[in-house]
Amino acid sequence: AQSVAQPEDQVNVAEGNPLTVKCTYSVSGNPYLFWYVQYPNRGLQFLLKYITGDNLVKGSYGFEAEFNKSQTSFHLKKPSALVSDSALYFCAVRETYGNNRLAFGKGNQVVVIP
Amino acid sequence: DARVTQTPRHKVTEMGQEVTMRCQPILGHNTVFWYRQTMMQGLELLAYFRNRAPLDDSGMPKDRFSAEMPDATLATLKIQPSEPRDSAVYFCASGLVLGTGRDEQFFGPGTRLTVL
Repeated sequence: AQSVAQPEDQVNVAEGNPLTVKCTYSVSGNPYLFWYVQYPNRGLQFLLKYITGDNLVKGSYGFEAEFNKSQTSFHLKKPSALVSDSALYFCAVRETYGNNRLAFGKGNQVVVIP
Repeated sequence: DARVTQTPRHKVTEMGQEVTMRCQPILGHNTVFWYRQTMMQGLELLAYFRNRAPLDDSGMPKDRFSAEMPDATLATLKIQPSEPRDSAVYFCASGLVLGTGRDEQFFGPGTRLTVL
């Protein structure tokens, strides 16, 4: 069964510094990988996805993620964090030929310090 | 701007009462998901529909929870009887799956349920 691990509970970063949120996955076949963001009292919003092709995927709000098959990782990155990036970030994985269920990680709270 | 809508946004009820949560998926989407979010368990999948047919409800307590799609524009999640441990935020999400599973899910704003 597919699964995702987000090893850190909270990521603290100073405004203007690079932001990285880590994610590793486990699937039996090729993965489809997703990042979502959740702001307080809101639903999850789609940020970006990796399906195939270029390992570096660019998404909304200046975020990008790098797919690394050998390390089974899909870390989310932003070159310069904003205070407004403070939110809960979820990584998710789906098997290419499995059912359409997404397996979500537990989420990482990102706190950007002014 | 198409979006998933959920009602009610907040619900406070007493233990033993019936709770019904509603979701209107994005028009044209053929999959609907129900999730529950709590601090302890994170995001859990409760049920999954494709073309209105339930494909997976293994995450749902069968004795008290039920999920249905009476038509393509409405999905419901019902709890009867409700218990304090059901207190959580319940999200509905919809998506368009064309056999490849490539498409993302779109989430509603959630229903915050408190069972006293």
